[in-house]
Amino acid sequence: QSALTQPPSASGSPGQSVTISCTGTNSDVGGYNFVSWYQHHPGKAPKAMLYEVDKRPSGVPDRFSGSKSGNTASLTVSGLQAEDEADYYCSSYAGSNNWVFGGGTKLTVL
Amino acid sequence: EVQLVESGGGLVQPGGSLRLSCAASGFTFSRYWMQWVRQAPGKGLVWVSRIKSDGSTISYADSVKGRFTISRDNAKNTLYLQMNSLRVEDMAVYFCARESYYALDVWGQGTTATVSS
Repeated sequence: QSALTQPPSASGSPGQSVTISCTGTNSDVGGYNFVSWYQHHPGKAPKAMLYEVDKRPSGVPDRFSGSKSGNTASLTVSGLQAEDEADYYCSSYAGSNNWVFGGGTKLTVL
Repeated sequence: EVQLVESGGGLVQPGGSLRLSCAASGFTFSRYWMQWVRQAPGKGLVWVSRIKSDGSTISYADSVKGRFTISRDNAKNTLYLQMNSLRVEDMAVYFCARESYYALDVWGQGTTATVSS
């Protein structure tokens, strides 16, 4: 049950695009299309931004998109806005009813 | 309104116990898998435990296996986490979350467990 690997930080200017990676193994990210992404503003409840790799829950802007290649999933935020500044976490089903999260990426909007 | 509200956090000495509760409202609780996720101070989210809609399937992170017990009462729309033999490293904000399509689509605000002598 090792954590998925995310970069500790990412940044971009308003209007730009930024991509956050999430690397796991054949036993989690690479083995299932059950990768999800969460936005977390400290002190608040985390919010699901993507599920099943690239699906957006109702209400999530289409500026948020996801993809997966092999053992690495990615979250792309296009047209960065100030309110996008937050911590982002990936998560994956890891088989045998287990789950795993990434270490989190702090996104800064410059 | 779909809502999850955690309670039961507090200060406990190492080796002590806490029982967290998560009250669900606004949806049919008995139809959903539920999970507990925690966040230690200054750290990231970490998966803790998962329980099937009818309570028949349960799983735990290795770090809490044998010490924590997840359960649910569908008649009371409530999820529980019994935490025994608490360690300093268990100190965290504990979130309950609803699972849908292998993602956590509804989260509570969290309850804080402080483990300190």
